Amino acid sequence: GAVVSQHPSRVICKSGTSVKIECRSLDFQATTMFWYRQFPKQSLMLMATSNEGSKATYEQGVEKDKFLINHASLTLSTLTVTSAHPEDSSFYICSASRGGEKLFFGSGTQLSVL
Amino acid sequence: GESVGLHLPTLSVQEGDNSIINCAYSNSASDYFIWYKQESGKGPQFIIDIRSNMDKRQGQRVTVLLNKTVKHLSLQIAATQPGDSAVYFCAEIRNTDKLIFGTGTRLQVFP
Repeated sequence: GAVVSQHPSRVICKSGTSVKIECRSLDFQATTMFWYRQFPKQSLMLMATSNEGSKATYEQGVEKDKFLINHASLTLSTLTVTSAHPEDSSFYICSASRGGEKLFFGSGTQLSVL
Repeated sequence: GESVGLHLPTLSVQEGDNSIINCAYSNSASDYFIWYKQESGKGPQFIIDIRSNMDKRQGQRVTVLLNKTVKHLSLQIAATQPGDSAVYFCAEIRNTDKLIFGTGTRLQVFP
């Protein structure tokens, strides 16, 4: 079946630094990728939709300058949390679509900002 | 606003019993629904889906029921096992690939 790989699975960083999270579709070309954020005991909240070769579409309330998304190829999308602060600590999850409605999810990245 | 939500935040069942997890949605235009299972520290795992032109779909030990009249969705798990313990989310897709997740229900299975 289709697999989405997300890296790193866990990252701890100091406040003010930037962190990059990678999302790769391993056996299919993903025309669209999605980035979600999940706080403890809460649901997944869509942050942005990443389309290959074009600018990402951000959901209301998500700062595009803070959460930089790059979808440079059909198999890779990256999310960079810039100048991270403790309130950015969360579980970040990507998903990928190869066309159609079924989405495949990565295993998530737990970000802890000290 | 429009939302997809769940009635019960936590459901405790005995091993071997059947589990029923409920979900209410408010957008009558929703045409595709998915149930996901999420274990701690992992991404969501697809369980089963259903389109709005159906009212029931069965998988292995799982059944999804859709009642469009009352905008209600349920996931039934037969013979619940300890490995079924997780948080379950319903989600809807509305004309695009964008998923809207419900609030989640934690299923606890005890011996």
